Amino acid sequence: LAKTTQPISMDSYEGQEVNITCSHNNIATNDYITWYQQFPSQGPRFIIQGYKTKVTNEVASLFIPADRKSSTLSLPRVSLSDTAVYYCLVGDKGAGNMLTFGGGTRLMVKP
Amino acid sequence: EAGVTQFPSHSVIEKGQTVTLRCDPISGHDNLYWYRRVMGKEIKFLLHFVKESKQDESGMPNNRFLAERTGGTYSTLKVQPAELEDSGVYFCASSQDHWSGNTEAFFGQGTRLTVV
Repeated sequence: LAKTTQPISMDSYEGQEVNITCSHNNIATNDYITWYQQFPSQGPRFIIQGYKTKVTNEVASLFIPADRKSSTLSLPRVSLSDTAVYYCLVGDKGAGNMLTFGGGTRLMVKP
Repeated sequence: EAGVTQFPSHSVIEKGQTVTLRCDPISGHDNLYWYRRVMGKEIKFLLHFVKESKQDESGMPNNRFLAERTGGTYSTLKVQPAELEDSGVYFCASSQDHWSGNTEAFFGQGTRLTVV
């Protein structure tokens, strides 16, 4: 049973801000929300992680509402090199708290 | 510092043959994970090592798959005999602490296995 729900794909243009929302209605109290990025022929790479409110690093921002049933990854001013698949993960207590990948969102940045 | 490395990057074998995939985690990382993505499907968890012990192997598809981590350093994943449905990309990841949400896991580039 999928733990997270994300849009399958999104298109954007260079220089735009991209927001990818993930639903995780069954998130547990102790679960963190983690986002990974994957380029073709590479393994997933950590982007950002948070528990509540807002987290920002040099790559992205993560917005988490008070009920924590969703989260939004925000990529400012995307470039062509941001074209990738973005995965939202939450701790899966059913699997001994292992993180589980969902389908991810395939972001295509166009010139 | 070297990241997680996997070997080979690509393997093509015939149905019924044996293939061994190798993963070298980041030095000092006790936790090592194997994942795989078969064509058109999501990335699925296979198993988790803590040092040389199998902590969780609930994702291993069947007894044709054997994972080892002798000495708690590198790990191997053997498929014997390989079947067509085993084709996919096998990822290895490692982390210092258990990858349960508030820690970071580092992934290798994956091994693309093609069974013909």
